[in-house]
Amino acid sequence: SQQGEEDPQALSIQEGENATMNCSYKTSINNLQWYRQNSGRGLVHLILIRSNEREKHSGRLRVTLDTSKKSSSLLITASRAADTASYFCATDLSGSARQLTFGSGTQLTVLP
Amino acid sequence: KAGVTQTPRYLIKTRGQQVTLSCSPISGHRSVSWYQQTPGQGLQFLFEYFSETQRNKGNFPGRFSGRQFSNSRSEMNVSTLELGDSALYLCASSLEGQGVTNEKLFFGSGTQLSVL
Repeated sequence: SQQGEEDPQALSIQEGENATMNCSYKTSINNLQWYRQNSGRGLVHLILIRSNEREKHSGRLRVTLDTSKKSSSLLITASRAADTASYFCATDLSGSARQLTFGSGTQLTVLP
Repeated sequence: KAGVTQTPRYLIKTRGQQVTLSCSPISGHRSVSWYQQTPGQGLQFLFEYFSETQRNKGNFPGRFSGRQFSNSRSEMNVSTLELGDSALYLCASSLEGQGVTNEKLFFGSGTQLSVL
């Protein structure tokens, strides 16, 4: 079963708008990662934020982490049609960096 | 560098059969993990291998097994297939060893298994 919940489950926006996805988890973590998946394909790593970090940027991506609320958010700025994909947060709840627990995912659709 | 390669890409089996899926990690990556993805349960961890040893195991029945070879290539096997085993099976590799630990996983495109 999923240990993390993401919301919204689906998000549809126009090109150029910003997209924000949220992730909540249940226990202490060492780090939290965000991955992207195009339909029926493998996942691609986007960004990793450690438990002692509050915010991290990578290109058009901005990730925040609030360990007191056990939540994270992913912001994609100036979205493009090519950003259409499913986005998953993943945590190392088990304490093993290789045994990730994934959230349920947010399906983002960017309309041209 | 070539990415993570999974074969076959698609597989159709019938209930009761067994199946073997293959994964070749990125050159130099010694950790290989397997995940199952279904619409109902999402992404779930199966197991992880490092240096030919299973290091972590998820909550799956014994019908699911795996192994890793000396060249870090990995296989997973599912015996006595059930309809519920229909899923996308994803393999991921990561860099670890010689003082380096990288939590980032590199995923293959997956094997889509359909059990009829």
